[in-house]
Amino acid sequence: DQQVKQNSPSLSVQEGRISILNCDYTNSMFDYFLWYKKYPAEGPTFLISISSIKDKNEDGRFTVFLNKSAKHLSLHIVPSQPGDSAVYFCAASAPGAGSYQLTFGKGTKLSVIP
Amino acid sequence: KAGVTQTPRYLIKTRGQQVTLSCSPISGHRSVSWYQQTPGQGLQFLFEYFSETQRNKGNFPGRFSGRQFSNSRSEMNVSTLELGDSALYLCASSSWTGANTEAFFGQGTRLTVV
Repeated sequence: DQQVKQNSPSLSVQEGRISILNCDYTNSMFDYFLWYKKYPAEGPTFLISISSIKDKNEDGRFTVFLNKSAKHLSLHIVPSQPGDSAVYFCAASAPGAGSYQLTFGKGTKLSVIP
Repeated sequence: KAGVTQTPRYLIKTRGQQVTLSCSPISGHRSVSWYQQTPGQGLQFLFEYFSETQRNKGNFPGRFSGRQFSNSRSEMNVSTLELGDSALYLCASSSWTGANTEAFFGQGTRLTVV
């Protein structure tokens, strides 16, 4: 049972336009959500996060929106740049159990076309 | 501040052998977790260690084990290797002590089982 879903395996966007990556989750216990960017043969790099008490968090060109009632979050990249081409992973964590664990989606490959 | 260091970067092993992977977390981070990334499955949680104690374990067979040393360095061991164990193994370190925070990943160890 996949608790974090990224339903779009790939996305192509023109340089300068907006990229919107989506993520859905099923576990109501998740209270912290993160986005990671990954290049081939490298580890994921943390991009931005959002707590469940917020509905928006912004950091430069990156904005994450959270809709708790729909169990949906999205990452907006504006404007998109060719260097943004990578695989983006959505991840979530839940409190309790006294340990730190991230549950990941399967990723969305973003291609920004010059 | 040094990042998360994983060694070796690449490994080729034969079926039936065992392998040990190493991870040095960011200085001061006491939580170390391990993930397996395979094509189509995304990143799957293996286990998490904090202060030399395994606090959580994912849904992997007992052939996968780990440990953490007093300096927070961690090792992961896979015994009786199978072809399906070929994957990118990622280590993540976190300053997690209960509050929401992000994890920082190493570059990973690419294991190929032949």
